[in-house]
Amino acid sequence: TQLLEQSPQFLSIQEGENLTVYCNSSSVFSSLQWYRQEPGEGPVLLVTVVTGGEVKKLKRLTFQFGDARKDSSLHITAAQPGDTGLYLCVSLDQGGSEKLVFGKGTKLTVNP
Amino acid sequence: ETGVTQTPRHLVMGMTNKKSLKCEQHLGHNAMYWYKQSAKKPLELMFVYSLEERVENNSVPSRFSPECPNSSHLFLHLHTLQPEDSALYLCASSQDRYNSPLHFGNGTRLTVT
Repeated sequence: TQLLEQSPQFLSIQEGENLTVYCNSSSVFSSLQWYRQEPGEGPVLLVTVVTGGEVKKLKRLTFQFGDARKDSSLHITAAQPGDTGLYLCVSLDQGGSEKLVFGKGTKLTVNP
Repeated sequence: ETGVTQTPRHLVMGMTNKKSLKCEQHLGHNAMYWYKQSAKKPLELMFVYSLEERVENNSVPSRFSPECPNSSHLFLHLHTLQPEDSALYLCASSQDRYNSPLHFGNGTRLTVT
């Protein structure tokens, strides 16, 4: 089963700072999804990336898919307290199980 | 009402109790899932239903019993749970079984005493 490694595990920053979180795998992703889970709620899909080298922007969030499709990053510019949450990367297992594989997530706290 | 709704939001139960978690989706999706979310662990898939048929059971103990009476409703029946079963239980749905985004409910926070 494919494993997704997310880093850092925890991140606490001040409002207005920039940050980048990462998702890596030893296997090639067919596609990758990023979800955000706010405290007390379920995860919500932010974006799906499919093509190697792809860059997608969602307001202050920039998602990048590595050229080799084995890594992805999420960059947040001028973080806001509303960005606080658990960021999860999810991929379809390439090991043949046809299961969705979740990373453990990066827990981001943006302090006002 | 839209999206995926889970009830109750919080549940405290003793080890000898029997309770049920409920999930309802109003998205017209064909697949529904139960996930367990524990601290410091990735989401663990428990059960998958596709078109009301259980298609996956990931070695979940028999004290957890799912039920999918129709494509919009999913239940998780609980009995004789253990303290280590305390976790956030998330229901999700998707258009198809795989390769389509998951829509999650807000979960049931379960505490087993």
